[in-house]
Amino acid sequence: GQQVMQIPQYQHVQEGEDFTTYCNSSTTLSNIQWYKQRPGGHPVFLIQLVKSGEVKKQKRLTFQFGEAKKNSSLHITATQTTDVGTYFCVMSGGSNYKLTFGKGTLLTVNP
Amino acid sequence: DAGVIQSPRHEVTEMGQEVTLRCKPISGHNSLFWYRQTMMRGLELLIYFNNNVPIDDSGMPEDRFSAKMPNASFSTLKIQPSEPRDSAVYFCASSSQLAGSNEQFFGPGTRLTVL
Repeated sequence: GQQVMQIPQYQHVQEGEDFTTYCNSSTTLSNIQWYKQRPGGHPVFLIQLVKSGEVKKQKRLTFQFGEAKKNSSLHITATQTTDVGTYFCVMSGGSNYKLTFGKGTLLTVNP
Repeated sequence: DAGVIQSPRHEVTEMGQEVTLRCKPISGHNSLFWYRQTMMRGLELLIYFNNNVPIDDSGMPEDRFSAKMPNASFSTLKIQPSEPRDSAVYFCASSSQLAGSNEQFFGPGTRLTVL
C-alpha cells in the first residue's frame, strides 16, 4: 500500500550538532504529519504540513514540505539530550483520518 | 483533560488465554484508533472507529483479534486465544474531525507479553 520512506533509520549525534530526517513518498501527499516518541513513551504530535513548499518552525525544529508534496524533512538545530527519541513522518489519509506511520528515525544524543 | 486512558498498562499472560485491552478516548473525540507496535514491524494500525462504527479493520491480523466500541467513551481490543507473537505494545489513539486537523492523541499504551 501507499507509504512513506524515512531515512536515516538511526542517527547518533553529539550534543550541539544538527540533525535532519527525511521522508519520501512515491505519490503526492495531501498532507504530512510529524510525531515524536520518546523511549518507552507514546507518539506525540508535533506538526502538520499541508501546503506545497510549506516551512514551519518550532523553536529549534524546522519542518519542510516539498514543492511537489512528495517529500518532507525535519531539521533540529543544536540538538539537546531532550531531543532523544524516534521521529515519525506520518502520511495522512485525508478525509478518512487514517494515518500511516513510517518506520521512523531514532535519534540518540551524546551529552 | 486526562488524555487517552488505557488499561492495563502491562499485561503478562500465557499462550491460549484471552486478553482484553481497554481504552477511554478523550471526551468529545469521535475517532478512535488501535495500533500495535513491535521492533520488527513498527507501528501498525489495526482498526479505527468513527462515531463508534468500525470504518477500517483491514489491519486486524486475524480472527483472533476483535475490537468493539459500545459507546463514545469506551473501546476494547480482545485477543482470543493469545499467542507469543502477539507480544507488543498496543496503543489507543483518538482524534476529533471537528477540530479541522486529524492530529491523533495517543494513550500511554499497554505492554502485552504472551508467554
